Amino acid sequence: GDSVTQMEGPVTLSEEAFLTINCTYTATGYPSLFWYVQYPGEGLQLLLKATKADDKGSNKGFEATYRKETTSFHLEKGSVQVSDSAVYFCALSDPGANSKLTFGKGITLSVRP
Amino acid sequence: KAGVTQTPRYLIKTRGQQVTLSCSPISGHRSVSWYQQTPGQGLQFLFEYFSETQRNKGNFPGRFSGRQFSNSRSEMNVSTLELGDSALYLCASSLAGLYEQYFGPGTRLTVT
Repeated sequence: GDSVTQMEGPVTLSEEAFLTINCTYTATGYPSLFWYVQYPGEGLQLLLKATKADDKGSNKGFEATYRKETTSFHLEKGSVQVSDSAVYFCALSDPGANSKLTFGKGITLSVRP
Repeated sequence: KAGVTQTPRYLIKTRGQQVTLSCSPISGHRSVSWYQQTPGQGLQFLFEYFSETQRNKGNFPGRFSGRQFSNSRSEMNVSTLELGDSALYLCASSLAGLYEQYFGPGTRLTVT
């Protein structure tokens, strides 16, 4: 079945550092890929998405490119801020599974001033 | 536009009891999905409802059930609660199956 693997965490960075969070997936079809962010005590917010190979999703300085050849969707940001401290989830949606999202385990990012 | 709302936000129940959680989707959204979030298992899909019909179901026992009303509001019910059911239950809505999903703040259920 479908699965998403995220790098182990937590991750602690200094403000203005470069961020990469790795995500790889396994899917039978051609899934859509997502990054969600969860701030303490809140639900999930969609950060960015990509629906086909080579698409690049971007939002709030974050970017991720759908790489079909490596089945990856790594999240990057050039300069993190303290306000980016949160839990980040990579997820996929298989077109044949309607709304079902399959999530990775999530990774906690802490950014120090 | 109001976001997805979930009630109650917090619940404490005793083992063996049952519980009902409610989710009101964004106006105009017809698809509602439910997820369970725990530290050990992460985020797991429970089920999805679209136009009052269950369209997809995850790998949970029959104690977990749900329904959707004609106004798209949804409820999920857990019967014969177990300690392992303690979790954050998240509801998400979307226009239809393949569109972006918007999550509510969740209901934190504690089973003692």
